[in-house]
Amino acid sequence: AIRMTQSPSSLSASTGDRVTITCRASQGISSYLAWYQQKPGKAPKLLIYAASTLQSGVPSRFSGSGSGTDFTLTISCLQSEDFATYYCQQYYSYPPVTFGPGTKVDIK
Amino acid sequence: QVQLVQSGAEVKKPGASVKVSCKASGYTFTSYDINWVRQATGQGLEWMGWMNPNSGNTGYAQKFQGRVTMTRNTSISTAYMELSSLRSEDTAVYYCARGNRLGQQLVYRYWGQGTLVTVSS
Repeated sequence: AIRMTQSPSSLSASTGDRVTITCRASQGISSYLAWYQQKPGKAPKLLIYAASTLQSGVPSRFSGSGSGTDFTLTISCLQSEDFATYYCQQYYSYPPVTFGPGTKVDIK
Repeated sequence: QVQLVQSGAEVKKPGASVKVSCKASGYTFTSYDINWVRQATGQGLEWMGWMNPNSGNTGYAQKFQGRVTMTRNTSISTAYMELSSLRSEDTAVYYCARGNRLGQQLVYRYWGQGTLVTVSS
């Protein structure tokens, strides 16, 4: 199975900050990568797929980049509603689909 | 609009089985795979497997092979996930999820609200 790692595991930031989260795959996955946002007690929400395609309805302050093994999710200007946990997911090779361990973004 | 509505919370004893349902609406049920993902409290997301509601074909993560069964009832647009031989480590929220669109079956745009399964003696 392809192993996904994320860094950092958590970060503290302020409203208005630029935030970058990194995701790495244990082997090349082309651009078969998605990003999800999850808030406590809620199901994950799809933000980005195909590494850089913004899901309809997601604010443009979210962006994704990368291909192969290294990927990033950037929030250009953090808003209060963005404090959450973020997961990357590879869907290049399955079963199984695999997720990263998550990055928790909280308030500084 | 697409909706996935799951059954309510369950409490089970170790060794028992649990069956969680996921009722789909707002689209043609047989056109999209249903996947199951679980999340232990405070932990990450773990993919369990998928089912094609049209054919009934399934694919399971190796970790759950022999313990999980995914089925469906097309007449009521409902998918089921049954997990047997429960142990305390199976305590988690179980989600059903559907792909974004045809050709992106593994990009999960639509999720159920989650079903908490607690395994305790």
